[in-house]
Amino acid sequence: NAGVTQTPKFQVLKTGQSMTLQCAQDMNHEYMSWYRQDPGMGLRLIHYSVGAGITDQGEVPNGYNVSRSTTEDFPLRLLSAAPSQTSVYFCASSGIGGAGEQYFGPGTRLTVT
Amino acid sequence: DAKTTQPPSMDCAEGRAANLPCNHSTISGNEYVYWYRQIHSQGPQYIIHGLKNNETNEMASLIITEDRKSSTLILPHATLRDTAVYYCIVRALRGSSNTGKLIFGQGTTLQVKP
Repeated sequence: NAGVTQTPKFQVLKTGQSMTLQCAQDMNHEYMSWYRQDPGMGLRLIHYSVGAGITDQGEVPNGYNVSRSTTEDFPLRLLSAAPSQTSVYFCASSGIGGAGEQYFGPGTRLTVT
Repeated sequence: DAKTTQPPSMDCAEGRAANLPCNHSTISGNEYVYWYRQIHSQGPQYIIHGLKNNETNEMASLIITEDRKSSTLILPHATLRDTAVYYCIVRALRGSSNTGKLIFGQGTTLQVKP
């Protein structure tokens, strides 16, 4: 198993640009989520999904969209990038309806200038 | 989910036990205590979780007080590779609207010294 994979590893955007951060898992997990981590801070939940076709907002959803068309993939879209979205983004997945251990990807380091 | 309180930082000598405390005085009956750690900007790594009984696995032990208002993560023989930020998280499992969500606080930065 590759576990949770994220692409790209690094990205630089200009203010106003849009892009999609990719996340995939090969463990057939129902639950997937996106977090952001600002320097020196803990992780904050952006959006999550409890299964294909079902998504919901976390703590800091503004400026981000998600969709879950398959069990494996959970992309995060930045609609119009802002410098405040400079952060490291982590994707995670878990089985048993989200109750079990969560597996995290390696992260995407995003800089918005 | 209940909030948790952890000391911001701790030191531990290599080879000694590291005891990381966590207060969760508002924990509910259906909420578990989870511990994760994050080593230098990598993705967080699951360590252990428990409800009310003490738990042990190959990485650590988790001691939960009888009233469940606090817990301690024990790394029995800390190594330099255990230097990381440790997060104590309380969350419910099935049957709660918060199922699956992990709410991270600031965590405890553990520095293991030679």
